[in-house]
Amino acid sequence: GQNIDQPTEMTATEGAIVQINCTYQTSGFNGLFWYQQHAGEAPTFLSYNVLDGLEEKGRFSSFLSRSKGYSYLLLKELQMKDSASYLCAVRDSNYQLIWGAGTKLIIKP
Amino acid sequence: DVKVTQSSRYLVKRTGEKVFLECVQDMDHENMFWYRQDPGLGLRLIYFSYDVKMKEKGDIPEGYSVSREKKERFSLILESASTNQTSMYLCAIGRLAGTDTQYFGPGTRLTVL
Repeated sequence: GQNIDQPTEMTATEGAIVQINCTYQTSGFNGLFWYQQHAGEAPTFLSYNVLDGLEEKGRFSSFLSRSKGYSYLLLKELQMKDSASYLCAVRDSNYQLIWGAGTKLIIKP
Repeated sequence: DVKVTQSSRYLVKRTGEKVFLECVQDMDHENMFWYRQDPGLGLRLIYFSYDVKMKEKGDIPEGYSVSREKKERFSLILESASTNQTSMYLCAIGRLAGTDTQYFGPGTRLTVL
């Protein structure tokens, strides 16, 4: 079957750095996405990786290793507004998105 | 700005009722999707549509049907609501390939009593 694993919850301090990991086993691979979802709101797109390596976008970076079936989302200079759930999703061989359950990130002052 | 709207943010229905959830987009996308989101589970695809009057079953279509009579509108129908259909329902639009992603509506939190 297809599976995406992420930690259920993480806690970090304002101003610090946090890394959220995602491992996947899917039928084929056509890209990996990270989304942010604030409580009670819809997911919004953060990043996309299809080749190995690091993609940087401001305070957020995303890394992919296809051979290891592994990605991480790195958030720097954490702000209170970064408190949210972070969803990892993989596009499979049928071009459908397979979603992880999400990681709830709690930021403490 | 991409705009995806859903007919209700919150809905309370009784077991056995027929429920309609509507999604409207203003981006002229061919592809539209219905997901449900439950605590501890990833988003699960119920149905998607890649053109008017076309539909494909997702991972959990049982108990649901859909309708797409116009390109901008995609409806999810619960023929006879049950308590296990209490969930957050999210509509999305997007292309299947490339770097383009899926854009979500605000969601409908449905409670079936």
